[in-house]
Formats: sequence, structure tokens, C-alpha cells
Amino acid sequence: SAVISQKPSRDICQRGTSLTIQCQVDSQVTMMFWYRQQPGQSLTLIATANQGSEATYESGFVIDKFPISRPNLTFSTLTVSNMSPEDSSIYLCSVGYRGQEEKLFFGSGTQLSVL
Amino acid sequence: QKEVEQNSGPLSVPEGAIASLNCTYSDRGSQSFFWYRQYSGKSPELIMSIYSNGDKEDGRFTAQLNKASQYVSLLIRDSQPSDSATYLCAVWRDTGRRALTFGSGTRLQVQP
Repeated sequence: SAVISQKPSRDICQRGTSLTIQCQVDSQVTMMFWYRQQPGQSLTLIATANQGSEATYESGFVIDKFPISRPNLTFSTLTVSNMSPEDSSIYLCSVGYRGQEEKLFFGSGTQLSVL
Repeated sequence: QKEVEQNSGPLSVPEGAIASLNCTYSDRGSQSFFWYRQYSGKSPELIMSIYSNGDKEDGRFTAQLNKASQYVSLLIRDSQPSDSATYLCAVWRDTGRRALTFGSGTRLQVQP
């Protein structure tokens, strides 16, 4: 499996501000996803990051709130915009390789607290 | 109905025993199934994948799949305290928006 670096690892933010989370993979991957894990909960898919085009969002998540970029096959960003305390969560980048796209590997996560 | 369902636990077993974790899924067309282990404060780690009906063994872990019953299980033999974690069942969504859907996880506690 590749090395998946996610930054920042944690942050404390004020209500109304935005935070951009970066995900860098050390080799090219086919699929990149962003998940959210709220305290004590399982993983919920936010969106699929598509290389060179707009991300595909799951029901309940919108681009204005969670803009995503994926300029190439190794890098993606997720921005959490106009944050509220309800956005406090762990955000996880995950990747799947060509031929085994369904086997996802996860970055170390970003723990976000919104005050 | 949730796409992937698990008993949240905690499931408590003594050291050396067999831990049995269960999962059901709703999409009869699903073909790919996974078990992830997540330690507290860490990200999920893939431990098993299974695609065909029957059993698949890897060390102390055995994954079992029954597509007719839409049921996946994970057996951990000779359970160790280091196996204490949350185990997440995941199903690959092949149609429409391809992605991995997770169950809520079962917390396993192995008592020394």
C-alpha cells in the first residue's frame, strides 16, 4: 500500500471560518474519496474526488459546504466551509488503486474541532 | 433499512477464545466485502477482503460470506488483548456511484 499523508492532523477552528485539508499519496491512484467520522460513529462518505473534474457528492453533502479539488492522480483537498460545531469530526482521505479500486486505504485523518 | 448493519457491541471475549463478528447487507448485487480494524484514535486498517461464498482464512482471521443470506462474518481465533478494537464491515457499491459503504462497527474487547 502507498503512503497517504494527510494535513493537518488536527485543528481547532472558530465558527464561521474554513479549513482546507490536504491528502497526498506517494503513487498514482485511481480512486480518491473523502469520508467523515463523527464521534463514536462509523464512516460516512462525503464525496468521490474526480481527477480534473467536479467531485461527486453523496446525499446530504453539497459543494458549497465541502468543496473538493483533485488536480492530479496523487493529490486532493477537502475544504470545510463556514464551519459550525456540528462539523466537529474526523475527516479521512481514502484511496483505491487501479485494478483494486474497491480496496480502500486510509490516511491518518484530520481531527477537527469547531468552537 | 441501512445498507450495512452490524451489532455495535461491545463484544467481550476472554483471551484465547474465538471472537465472532457479524454483518448483513441490503444490496443483493454486492460482490466485494471487507473487514477493517480501527483502534481508538486511529484510522481504519484493511484486514480482510472476500468476494466468493465460503470461507477465506488469513492467519488467525477467517472471513465468511453467504451471498444468498446477504451475510458476512469475521472470526478471530486465539483472541489477544491487542485485538481489542472496533471492527468495521464494508461493502463495495458497484452500481451508480462506486464507493465503499461501512457498517456502524462492532467494538471488541478481549479480556486478559
